[in-house]
Amino acid sequence: GQQVMQIPQYQHVQEGEDFTTYCNSSTTLSNIQWYKQRPGGHPVFLIQLVKSGEVKKQKRLTFQFGEAKKNSSLHITATQTTDVGTYFCAGRNDYKLSFGAGTTVTVRA
Amino acid sequence: DVKVTQSSRYLVKRTGEKVFLECVQDMDHENMFWYRQDPGLGLRLIYFSYDVKMKEKGDIPEGYSVSREKKERFSLILESASTNQTSMYLCASSFQGTGNQPQHFGDGTRLSIL
Repeated sequence: GQQVMQIPQYQHVQEGEDFTTYCNSSTTLSNIQWYKQRPGGHPVFLIQLVKSGEVKKQKRLTFQFGEAKKNSSLHITATQTTDVGTYFCAGRNDYKLSFGAGTTVTVRA
Repeated sequence: DVKVTQSSRYLVKRTGEKVFLECVQDMDHENMFWYRQDPGLGLRLIYFSYDVKMKEKGDIPEGYSVSREKKERFSLILESASTNQTSMYLCASSFQGTGNQPQHFGDGTRLSIL
């Protein structure tokens, strides 16, 4: 079945630095979604990418969908303490989303 | 705002018990989903439903069943609970629509099987 791999599993970031988390699928995806889960909270939808090579920005967050629609990345610039949490990518086929294992981000002040 | 409500935040049950987890959404969503979340494994789909009385197996359906008698309610049933079903359970819902709709999650039920 479809597998979505996400790296790294953990990301420890100095406040103010940038980082990137990556998502790779074994199959071509119809779209990819990104979610954020704050500690003790539930996943919250951030964004969806549909087109090959698509790039979308939300303030300091930049999301990219690969040309082959098999990979995606989330880049955060100037990390803040509010960025703490786990970021999940989820690849879509039919009704189902296949979630990656997530990247858990901690921030050093 | 979409509201997905799970009946219990924490639940402790014994091995062999039949366990019911309830989920209700208030946005008239067609699709509803049950996931379990375990450290290092992300969210794994147990079952989903795209209409009343319809259900489809997800990636890890063994040991679970579901019921969708009303559009707003989706129940997850552990027929005979086992310790390896100790986990965080998340319910989600979404519109069916065209294209791909975001999923809205409940706060989760942390289930411990002793």
